[in-house]
Amino acid sequence: NAGVTQTPKFRVLKTGQSMTLLCAQDMNHEYMYWYRQDPGMGLRLIHYSVGEGTTAKGEVPDGYNVSRLKKQNFLLGLESAAPSQTSVYFCASSYSLSSTQYFGPGTRLTVL
Amino acid sequence: RKEVEQDPGPFNVPEGATVAFNCTYSNSASQSFFWYRQDCRKEPKLLMSVYSSGNEDGRFTAQLNRASQYISLLIRDSKLSDSATYLCVVEGEDFGNEKLTFGTGTRLTIIP
Repeated sequence: NAGVTQTPKFRVLKTGQSMTLLCAQDMNHEYMYWYRQDPGMGLRLIHYSVGEGTTAKGEVPDGYNVSRLKKQNFLLGLESAAPSQTSVYFCASSYSLSSTQYFGPGTRLTVL
Repeated sequence: RKEVEQDPGPFNVPEGATVAFNCTYSNSASQSFFWYRQDCRKEPKLLMSVYSSGNEDGRFTAQLNRASQYISLLIRDSKLSDSATYLCVVEGEDFGNEKLTFGTGTRLTIIP
């Protein structure tokens, strides 16, 4: 089992460009999450999903959109990237909202 | 008061020593608690869950103090490979939905 995978691993964008980050899990988890991690801020929840076709806002959702068209995939979109979105993005999945979360390896995004 | 608070460190500890971290949480109704470990430039990974009666996993001991609302992690006979950031994770609620809240982490460096 691959667990949780993320693509791409690294990306550099110019301000105003758009991109989509892909997260895939093969553990048949209902719940999936997108976090960003910045120095001194810890992990902050952007959006999450409690099942195929459902999404919900987390702590810092502005500037991001998500979709969960298939149970195993959770996409994070940036429509118009800003330098404030420079961060490390982690995807995670879990069996339930309060159970162990399994993380992907992260995507390092730089917005110039 | 923050939902989850940790001393950011850094803790610089000689190899073989014992080190302990605490983490305080604000929601007295929280039921699930975890310690995650995050190596530099890697994703967080579950170290251990924290049970009401306390639990051990080899050199690691986790304890919960509900009255004072904190959890602790004790590492005995520390190894160089224990150098990492340790994240405290607490289950809470967000508008009636369960969620996990991550602390900002405590950085530990084991010195040879």
